[in-house]
Amino acid sequence: DAKTTQPPSMDCAEGRAANLPCNHSTISGNEYVYWYRQIHSQGPQYIIHGLKNNETNEMASLIITEDRKSSTLILPHATLRDTAVYYCIVRVVQGKLIFGQGTELSVKP
Amino acid sequence: DSGVTQTPKHLITATGQRVTLRCSPRSGDLSVYWYQQSLDQGLQFLIQYYNGEERAKGNILERFSAQQFPDLHSELNLSSLELGDSALYFCASSALDRGDNYGYTFGSGTRLTVV
Repeated sequence: DAKTTQPPSMDCAEGRAANLPCNHSTISGNEYVYWYRQIHSQGPQYIIHGLKNNETNEMASLIITEDRKSSTLILPHATLRDTAVYYCIVRVVQGKLIFGQGTELSVKP
Repeated sequence: DSGVTQTPKHLITATGQRVTLRCSPRSGDLSVYWYQQSLDQGLQFLIQYYNGEERAKGNILERFSAQQFPDLHSELNLSSLELGDSALYFCASSALDRGDNYGYTFGSGTRLTVV
């Protein structure tokens, strides 16, 4: 299973962009990169996913490098409610999501 | 409300006991996934069912078992409970057996405390 590496924690000022990096150097050509977040002990919440191209939705943008070995999740204007643990996941072909330790993002006023 | 319903929300039981956790997937979803989240282990994949059949297995103990019923709800059975089984148990669902374009939808979890 492809592994992901994320920094354990990051801080971001409220209103600024939060850029969360993820390394997935062993990713296979048909594996998607998913991002989820978990606020306190709630169920993980889907944010965005992509294969090769950059993606954007109402929550965030996902930038995937050309070699697909790393990606960055961008929250354009972070708010206090974005404080959470963010998981970068490479989806296994059989369907299961393998979660790493994630990045604990603290948005500060 | 994510559309995935898990019951009960909280469960306190004694060591050696058996409990059943229930999950109703989002309407139309055929796959159900079970995850365990303990303080020191993070989110661990346990098992997946697709349309009633077991499709993938993770780090699930022999004391644990699961099934998916014809109406697509799933149950996770935990027996001979130990203190270390105390954790949050999440269920997720997806339309296909590999996840759909919107990923996997998680429920709000069952918090199991073994005393």
